[in-house]
Amino acid sequence: QTVVTQEPSFSVSPGGTVTLTCGLSSGSVSTGHYPSWYQQTPGQAPRTLIYSTNTRSSGVPDRFSGSIVGNKAALSITGAQAEDESDYYCVLYMGSGIWVFGGGTKLTVL
Amino acid sequence: EVQLLESGGNLVQPGGSLRLSCEASGFTFSSLAMSWVRQAPGKGLEWVSSFSGSSGSTYYADSVKGRFTISRDISKNTLYLQMNSLRADDTAVYYCAKGGNSGNYRDGFDIWGQGTMVTVSS
Repeated sequence: QTVVTQEPSFSVSPGGTVTLTCGLSSGSVSTGHYPSWYQQTPGQAPRTLIYSTNTRSSGVPDRFSGSIVGNKAALSITGAQAEDESDYYCVLYMGSGIWVFGGGTKLTVL
Repeated sequence: EVQLLESGGNLVQPGGSLRLSCEASGFTFSSLAMSWVRQAPGKGLEWVSSFSGSSGSTYYADSVKGRFTISRDISKNTLYLQMNSLRADDTAVYYCAKGGNSGNYRDGFDIWGQGTMVTVSS
């Protein structure tokens, strides 16, 4: 069974840059997996940040960007702000209508 | 304004059934993909099921296949999730999510509802 991997936790200083990754237990992530990224704060519904690798969702600040780095999908936050402290999830399209989420990354801004 | 309003969550005994609803507004419901994603308490997001807007095809995670059925009523702009043979590990907040405006199923999940809680316990 394919597992989507994310760093369990990450920290960044205010104003700093951080790159979160989304990989596969077996194989490489490509644009054909249409990676998407979601932000979630406790008790709230997820918010879509990036879809189809690098397309920002409406209203998302341009400090958030998506890409493929090596064999993983990546979400970069440039100029991190305190309000960016959240859980971040990626999801990959596996074909045949199937989506698989990663376990999420808890980002701390301090 | 795009809105998704889930309802139907409740406490149900193991082996029981429940039907969730997601009432949509502010967009052309019939042409876009719609999905259910759940989150168990203290855990991450898990994709459950999707309804392709264009083809009308349905898709399920292995964990719910054969027990859950996704459907939609275009006249009511409502998405449903019929859940049968419920188990304790189905306990979660269930979110309804709309697909991207391009109609491309592979664009993932665009707008999310606030969720409805399902608790499976005796």
